[in-house]
Amino acid sequence: QVHLVESGGGVVLPGRSLRLSCAASQFSFGSYAMHWVRQAPGKGLEWVTLISYDGSNKYYADSVRGRFTVSRDNSKNTLYLQMNSLRVEDTAVYFCAKEVVGYDVWSGLSYWGQGALVTVSS
Amino acid sequence: QSVLTQPPSVSGAPGQRVTISCTGSSSNIGAGYDVHWYQQLPGTAPKLLIYGHNKRPSGVPDRFSGSWSGTSASLAITGLQAEDEADYYCQSYDSSLRGSLFGGGTKLTVL
Repeated sequence: QVHLVESGGGVVLPGRSLRLSCAASQFSFGSYAMHWVRQAPGKGLEWVTLISYDGSNKYYADSVRGRFTVSRDNSKNTLYLQMNSLRVEDTAVYFCAKEVVGYDVWSGLSYWGQGALVTVSS
Repeated sequence: QSVLTQPPSVSGAPGQRVTISCTGSSSNIGAGYDVHWYQQLPGTAPKLLIYGHNKRPSGVPDRFSGSWSGTSASLAITGLQAEDEADYYCQSYDSSLRGSLFGGGTKLTVL
């Protein structure tokens, strides 16, 4: 069974940085594009970023472009989200998720982690 | 501005059929990009219900189905069950944003 586990969440001051990790197992991690999706408390889902299976292509939501950086280490089966210049409005649960179709993008998100809570507050 | 619009809430009695709409534009659904649907139970991660407009992952009951026409898509749920009470989200790619979009979500209440 596919397993995705996020870590690295916590409370951080506005303007500071935080890095999330997503450890993947039970599937061929290096064959799938991966996403980060966030959900502010009591709100809906917001797509954040996608990285292609080999890391060569990256896409970002306007709300995070220039502040967040997605990366992956296929040798460690791990996805990362580096979040800089954090704002109060970045407070959310951050989910990592796997594409449905290998080597494809925008095919749907077949498996999700349990999420990591990031709270940006002074 | 690129958005996917869903009704905030829908409801139905057990055994009934309900539909949830997702209205987009020419830069997303209208351009033929795939629409995906997710179910989110309280306090849990979203679960994929439908991908590629109308494909069901293994394990998803055939009570759930998706359709698409023009700039809109719909999720239909037949034979409503109490366990279907959840939030439902549509998702599609948007060429203007060069990224993905989620609808605002629809809360399904089983009466």
